[in-house]
Amino acid sequence: GESVGLHLPTLSVQEGDNSIINCAYSNSASDYFIWYKQESGKGPQFIIDIRSNMDKRQGQRVTVLLNKTVKHLSLQIAATQPGDSAVYFCAENTGGFKTIFGAGTRLFVKA
Amino acid sequence: GAVVSQHPSRVICKSGTSVKIECRSLDFQATTMFWYRQFPKQSLMLMATSNEGSKATYEQGVEKDKFLINHASLTLSTLTVTSAHPEDSSFYICSARDGTTQYFGPGTRLLVL
Repeated sequence: GESVGLHLPTLSVQEGDNSIINCAYSNSASDYFIWYKQESGKGPQFIIDIRSNMDKRQGQRVTVLLNKTVKHLSLQIAATQPGDSAVYFCAENTGGFKTIFGAGTRLFVKA
Repeated sequence: GAVVSQHPSRVICKSGTSVKIECRSLDFQATTMFWYRQFPKQSLMLMATSNEGSKATYEQGVEKDKFLINHASLTLSTLTVTSAHPEDSSFYICSARDGTTQYFGPGTRLLVL
């Protein structure tokens, strides 16, 4: 496999606060990036995506920022809720082919 | 959105036996499906790309004779873990591509005793 098998870093936030989850990607040729949410025992769930010709994209309560210069992605979640508690993965894709996952971040939302 | 299913959702088997996991695209046809493996507290690692009507493409370090993939139709790919051992215990997740979007299945938890 190509993704990094590290133990997950953790982010703990208070309910109602904004969350920022960061990710570094590896392939400068990647042209499509996706954020996934994974709850315990389930498959990844699509959150938001962005193509390399953009640097920002907004969805409902979520924003993805892309900095190609330093190969960095971030996911911002506004007004974080307990239901947002999960593991978040960034993923990169080159030419619409296979998707490679980053290390992931576990988000804990404190009520 | 498109739906991908997996069967079984969890399986327990004895060491040395083979286990087959099915991945189905329910409302679209997928010429390409992907198999991932996820160990506890780790990320998803791509194992192989399953191509309808042709041989699968395996990632570096993944044994093709141990993880047999068959993509016999546009809606079904199967992963067979042959002669399973306890170290093969993991969460196996498939995905199917519809255009440029990948849809993920719910995963199959394999426990080898």
